[in-house]
Amino acid sequence: KAGVTQTPRYLIKTRGQQVTLSCSPISGHRSVSWYQQTPGQGLQFLFEYFSETQRNKGNFPGRFSGRQFSNSRSEMNVSTLELGDSALYLCASSLAAGSGGPQFFGPGTRLTVL
Amino acid sequence: QQPVQSPQAVILREGEDAVINCSSSKALYSVHWYRQKHGEAPVFLMILLKGGEQKGHEKISASFNEKKQQSSLYLTASQLSYSGTYFCGTDIQGAQKLVFGQGTRLTINP
Repeated sequence: KAGVTQTPRYLIKTRGQQVTLSCSPISGHRSVSWYQQTPGQGLQFLFEYFSETQRNKGNFPGRFSGRQFSNSRSEMNVSTLELGDSALYLCASSLAAGSGGPQFFGPGTRLTVL
Repeated sequence: QQPVQSPQAVILREGEDAVINCSSSKALYSVHWYRQKHGEAPVFLMILLKGGEQKGHEKISASFNEKKQQSSLYLTASQLSYSGTYFCGTDIQGAQKLVFGQGTRLTINP
């Protein structure tokens, strides 16, 4: 089975711009979770989508949003970028929703905000 | 609310054993363990569920003490490939989302 794929792998944006990141889960997985990873804050949960519905959300401002399509692919959007949004954004797919099963991570998108 | 991992870093020689701990101040419903090598994605190692169920790789063992709100990951006869940063992810009080610890950096030397 192919693993989780994320595009693009690297992005450079300037403050105030917006960005859209994409994640394709493992075939058959209906849950996609998004995480932000930074050296200072570690791995932080952004949100989870299951069957096109947002099931859970972390403590991030409304500038961070996401959606999931009928084929389980997911996108996350960050509007009005700030310097502090520079991070590695990881998505993880899972068969089941929530935390009852293993999560399989993609390689991440490295976002740099200048 | 973030779980605390200890130690923060450990250096071993190949063949030695290591224990990595993860503790929480709140009730845990499940604990996940992942390993991340530099520049790579985290890789699933083990999940421990409330009630004692475990799912994971054969060569990895872990414990989950629900009363103490702690989990430990046991790495025996370490190999060079075990090097990386280990994260525990916890589902606190059934929130159905993972809160990760800050990680434990494990270095295995020949």
